[in-house]
Amino acid sequence: SAVISQKPSRDICQRGTSLTIQCQVDSQVTMMFWYRQQPGQSLTLIATANQGSEATYESGFVIDKFPISRPNLTFSTLTVSNMSPEDSSIYLCSVESRGRPLNEQFFGPGTRLTVL
Amino acid sequence: KQEVTQIPAALSVPEGENLVLNCSFTDSAIYNLQWFRQDPGKGLTSLLLIQSSQREQTSGRLNASLDKSSGRSTLYIAASQPGDSATYLCAVLFQGGSEKLVFGKGTKLTVNP
Repeated sequence: SAVISQKPSRDICQRGTSLTIQCQVDSQVTMMFWYRQQPGQSLTLIATANQGSEATYESGFVIDKFPISRPNLTFSTLTVSNMSPEDSSIYLCSVESRGRPLNEQFFGPGTRLTVL
Repeated sequence: KQEVTQIPAALSVPEGENLVLNCSFTDSAIYNLQWFRQDPGKGLTSLLLIQSSQREQTSGRLNASLDKSSGRSTLYIAASQPGDSATYLCAVLFQGGSEKLVFGKGTKLTVNP
C-alpha cells in the first residue's frame, strides 16, 4: 500500500482567495488523482495529475479554476482558485499503487475546506 | 452510463449483529471493485479489492463478493462492533470510456452498543 499525506488538513478561507493543497506519497506512483467530496455527497473526480504533462480534467472542471501541478512521481498540488462558498468540500488526493488491471487506489486523509 | 448504486443509504444495527451492504453497477465490463470505509470528515480507507476475475475477498470480519454478470457486490460484516460505525463506499473501475473509478453514494452504518 501507499502512504499519502495532505497539507493542510483543513482551512477556512475568504471568498475570492485561492488555496493550494499539497499531496505527498511515500513511493513513486504513475497515477495520481484529485477528488472533491461536497457535503453529504460521494466523491467526484476532478482530474488526473500526469507527471510531465498537463492534468486531464473531468467534465465540469477546468484548469483555470483548479490548476494542478505534478513535478515528480511522488508529489502533486491542487489549487482552488477564486473560491466561493460552493467550493466548501473535502478535497482528496489518491494514487494507484499498481499497474492495471491490478490497480488499487489509496487515498490521502483529505483537506477540509470551508469558504466564507 | 456507468453508475454505481448503494442500498440502503443508512443502516442502524445492534452490536454483534451480522450485516450485509449492497452495491450494484450498470456495466459488467469492469477491471475491479473496491470497498472503502470513511469516517466523518476523514479520508478513505481501502478495505477490500476484488479483481474482475475473482468472486470474493476476505479480510478479518469482512467478506466482499462479486457477481459481475448480475452487476452486484456485497460487503458482509460479521459480529459488528460500535467501531465499525462509518460510511462504506463501493467504487468500480469500469473498462472503456474514461476508465475512472466510479463511486456509489455510500451506506452510513451505525452500530449501537
